[in-house]
Amino acid sequence: ELKVEQNPLFLSMQEGKNYTIYCNYSTTSDRLYWYRQDPGKSLESLFVLLSNGAVKQEGRLMASLDTKARLSTLHITAAVHDLSATYFCAVHQAGTALIFGKGTTLSVSS
Amino acid sequence: SQTIHQWPATLVQPVGSPLSLECTVEGTSNPNLYWYRQAAGRGLQLLFYSVGIGQISSEVPQNLSASRPQDRQFILSSKKLLLSDSGFYLCAWTGGGRAGNEQFFGPGTRLTVL
Repeated sequence: ELKVEQNPLFLSMQEGKNYTIYCNYSTTSDRLYWYRQDPGKSLESLFVLLSNGAVKQEGRLMASLDTKARLSTLHITAAVHDLSATYFCAVHQAGTALIFGKGTTLSVSS
Repeated sequence: SQTIHQWPATLVQPVGSPLSLECTVEGTSNPNLYWYRQAAGRGLQLLFYSVGIGQISSEVPQNLSASRPQDRQFILSSKKLLLSDSGFYLCAWTGGGRAGNEQFFGPGTRLTVL
């Protein structure tokens, strides 16, 4: 059974500093997705990582995938308040399902 | 472009009452469709998914059921709601294929069972 673990689950960030959140998964998969959820809102797709070594960047966020280590990282550069949200990683399971991590809630303060 | 709709947006129901939530997708054909539930402050729990009309796979045994009467319509139902059914219900779709496993989510329905 595929399990997806994110850490940390909560991260209090200071504006302007860099942070990384981690997504580990338990069985082989070559497809990983990152989503953002603002409070009370639905999920918004951020990144699609489809191969080992894939790196995607959007603004202050950069996601990478290491399928051999079964690890994806989401790096935040110079955190700003607008990045406060909950971030989910999701891993493709054989068949049609995505398995989601529990989410990492980021809070940025000045 | 594709869009996904859910309604109602919010719902307050008494325990023991029935439930019907609807999800429709526009701008695509033969999508895979999914129902998730998110309890307050928690992650996503996959409830049902469907790869075609009349084809429903259940991930979690519960008092909920799903149906797909049309290609782009997915319905979540219950005959008698429980307090534990409260949560944020999200419908998602994917077009299939290698990159198509990326799921796109609807706006959600917030259900409160009293």
